[in-house]
Amino acid sequence: GENVEQHPSTLSVQEGDSAVIKCTYSDSASNYFPWYKQELGKRPQLIIDIRSNVGEKKDQRIAVTLNKTAKHFSLHITETQPEDSAVYFCAATYNQGGKLIFGQGTELSVKP
Amino acid sequence: KAGVTQTPRYLIKTRGQQVTLSCSPISGHRSVSWYQQTPGQGLQFLFEYFSETQRNKGNFPGRFSGRQFSNSRSEMNVSTLELGDSALYLCASSLQGAAYEQYFGPGTRLTVT
Repeated sequence: GENVEQHPSTLSVQEGDSAVIKCTYSDSASNYFPWYKQELGKRPQLIIDIRSNVGEKKDQRIAVTLNKTAKHFSLHITETQPEDSAVYFCAATYNQGGKLIFGQGTELSVKP
Repeated sequence: KAGVTQTPRYLIKTRGQQVTLSCSPISGHRSVSWYQQTPGQGLQFLFEYFSETQRNKGNFPGRFSGRQFSNSRSEMNVSTLELGDSALYLCASSLQGAAYEQYFGPGTRLTVT
């Protein structure tokens, strides 16, 4: 079916530590994998994305890795800060890129 | 440039009624997707419109429908409202569709009593 599994559902880290969120998808034709951050009461905002022809992408403290063979991708946040606290969603395209299916979300809490 | 806007921001309806939500995409964006967000189910894809045509549809009943106008503004309609339809409804616009960067609107919070 069209689903994206995301783990963990909650994650608590100390400020300065790293955080890793993992997602798996089922369609080998999926070719676009964005990550969104949603702060409480706000709209989801794209923080980083990766396409299937790339294995890793980095933007300052945020990086995403993609393993097409295993059909999983991960978000890595280094040197976490309290303002990183939010719900993070992964997503993958399905139906030949026509749909964006989201994972269930990970609530990240960064404790000062 | 102006972001994605949605109206109204909040709605309270009674079971059995119908509701229409509106989404204005970023200027130049031709694709509008709709999502239902609930605490238990996360973000679920409803449908996507591109150049006034519905290109993709999620697994929602026929009570959920939509349309897109020539200026790319989109509306979503839910008929015969049920309690379970209470949710935040988000629209997102992009240049060409799901495989491109999507920008979300602030959402419409629908409460069905």
